[in-house]
Amino acid sequence: DVKVTQSSRYLVKRTGEKVFLECVQDMDHENMFWYRQDPGLGLRLIYFSYDVKMKEKGDIPEGYSVSREKKERFSLILESASTNQTSMYLCASSLRLAENLLGNEQFFGPGTRLTVL
Amino acid sequence: GENVEQHPSTLSVQEGDSAVIKCTYSDSASNYFPWYKQELGKGPQLIIDIRSNVGEKKDQRIAVTLNKTAKHFSLHITETQPEDSAVYFCALNTGFQKLVFGTGTRLLVSP
Repeated sequence: DVKVTQSSRYLVKRTGEKVFLECVQDMDHENMFWYRQDPGLGLRLIYFSYDVKMKEKGDIPEGYSVSREKKERFSLILESASTNQTSMYLCASSLRLAENLLGNEQFFGPGTRLTVL
Repeated sequence: GENVEQHPSTLSVQEGDSAVIKCTYSDSASNYFPWYKQELGKGPQLIIDIRSNVGEKKDQRIAVTLNKTAKHFSLHITETQPEDSAVYFCALNTGFQKLVFGTGTRLLVSP
């Protein structure tokens, strides 16, 4: 059974703290993604990675960084947490496709609800 | 970037009724259109997808239709059941292996 796990379901941090969100997948997927989910805004892509040590900015990368040192693990880092980063964070993974193929399924973790006070 | 409009934001139906959720988009290069269901406390899960060379796809009580000319696609759920209550997201591919998601529809099926 495919699985994406996230290190915490709930997290409470203070403004200015450095925050690490961890994601691990056991499907040997090349692609991994970090989204944030906010009411009325859907899922917005923060960063994604298509290989170890590779990363690309998504639509809302400001205030975030990522790390992919191993294929199965993708970390989201909030260098200095702010209250506007209070949100649900979702990690996902997918197989890499050849460029001439259409999109494929992304598998999501259960999410981490982060509150920044 | 690509924008996906999803309507309605909330939808309440009686058990046994049909539910329809519609998404419109602007990027004519998009060719993959998945739908995800998110149950309470869980991450989204793919329920059905359609590719641009197909106009309609059906899987038991759910179906998706695609109109590439008009740039919209819809999710149809027939004979709704209480367990269909969830948040549904449409999505489409943009760029290399990325998806952009709609804003979500909260479906409530009342017994």
